[in-house]
Amino acid sequence: GQNIDQPTEMTATEGAIVQINCTYQTSGFNGLFWYQQHAGEAPTFLSYNVLDGLEEKGRFSSFLSRSKGYSYLLLKELQMKDSASYLCAVRDSNYQLIWGAGTKLIIKP
Amino acid sequence: ETGVTQTPRHLVMGMTNKKSLKCEQHLGHNAMYWYKQSAKKPLELMFVYNFKEQTENNSVPSRFSPECPNSSHLFLHLHTLQPEDSALYLCASSLGTENQPQHFGDGTRLSIL
Repeated sequence: GQNIDQPTEMTATEGAIVQINCTYQTSGFNGLFWYQQHAGEAPTFLSYNVLDGLEEKGRFSSFLSRSKGYSYLLLKELQMKDSASYLCAVRDSNYQLIWGAGTKLIIKP
Repeated sequence: ETGVTQTPRHLVMGMTNKKSLKCEQHLGHNAMYWYKQSAKKPLELMFVYNFKEQTENNSVPSRFSPECPNSSHLFLHLHTLQPEDSALYLCASSLGTENQPQHFGDGTRLSIL
């Protein structure tokens, strides 16, 4: 079966750095997405990786290793507003999006 | 403002009621989606429409009936739902169905009594 694994919950301190990991086993690979979802709000697109390596976008970076079936989202200079759930999703060989259950990130002052 | 608007935001209904969820996108996208989101579970894809044609129906019970009159509007008609159908129902749209990111609405929180 197809599977996406990410930690259920993480806690970090304001101003610090946090890395949220995502591992996947899918039938084929056509890209990996990260979304942010604040409680009661829509998931919003953060990043897209299709080739190995690091994509940097301001305070957020996303890394992909296709050979390891692994990605991470790196958040720097954490702010209280970064408290949210972070969803990892992979497109398989049929271009279906397979979703992880999300990682709830709690930021403490 | 994500460009995808869902109404209503909250809905409480009995198991014998009939109601509809509405989604409208103002992004000029060609594909629209219905998802079910339950606590601590991955998003479950329910239906996909591409250029108004249904391309996916992921074994969704017939008590959920989608309708896509045009590329900007999507409905989910509900009838004789079960308590386990209580969840957040999210609508999304994308330019195409391959590598483009999906843009989500804020969802309808549905509670079945």
